Amino acid sequence: GAGVSQSPRYKVAKRGQDVALRCDPISGHVSLFWYQQALGQGPEFLTYFQNEAQLDKSGLPSDRFFAERPEGSVSTLKIQRTQQEDSAVYLCASARDTHYEQYFGPGTRLTVT
Amino acid sequence: AQSVTQPDIHITVSEGASLELRCNYSYGATPYLFWYVQSPGQGLQLLLKYFSGDTLVQGIKGFEAEFKRSQSSFNLRKPSVHWSDAAEYFCAVGPGNTGKLIFGQGTTLQVKP
Repeated sequence: GAGVSQSPRYKVAKRGQDVALRCDPISGHVSLFWYQQALGQGPEFLTYFQNEAQLDKSGLPSDRFFAERPEGSVSTLKIQRTQQEDSAVYLCASARDTHYEQYFGPGTRLTVT
Repeated sequence: AQSVTQPDIHITVSEGASLELRCNYSYGATPYLFWYVQSPGQGLQLLLKYFSGDTLVQGIKGFEAEFKRSQSSFNLRKPSVHWSDAAEYFCAVGPGNTGKLIFGQGTTLQVKP
């Protein structure tokens, strides 16, 4: 079946621009996660949804980062007023439920110039 | 604090040789443990997982891992490495109350012909 998909795959933004990154989870997966992966590092947790409810946003680095999942399926990660330190790969993962294995999408590589 | 340590940043092995990638974790409760593989420009693919039960787990692509509670380790092994195994390998621990995973920094595997 279809896996997790993310779009765009690559995004170049000028510093100060807003960006929106999309994640389509596996159909029927209740849990959705966003991670940030800096170059040469492991992924770091950003936020978690259970259906449409955002239950954990402790990993969001600043109030410029905002995520939503209004209908409990597709999710969008928005970054306002992008900064150079936001340059990273943003990974989305979905799972059947909270404590099941997570399946990752290919990621969106964000470069802020 | 919860953490994952992968002591080897880079490993080179010859094709056909055996492989062991080390992973040590710090976690307050009984952990769920995972190994993921990431090829360049790709998302993370789950190799194997440990939730409970038999401490030796088998995964895809001929990989296995052993959970050793006394050593807080979950090392990944493969008896004979193939050139296609060259990639970045990440150990992760979870799930925490909200399912989030904590990743190690990764080990880059290079395979010599």
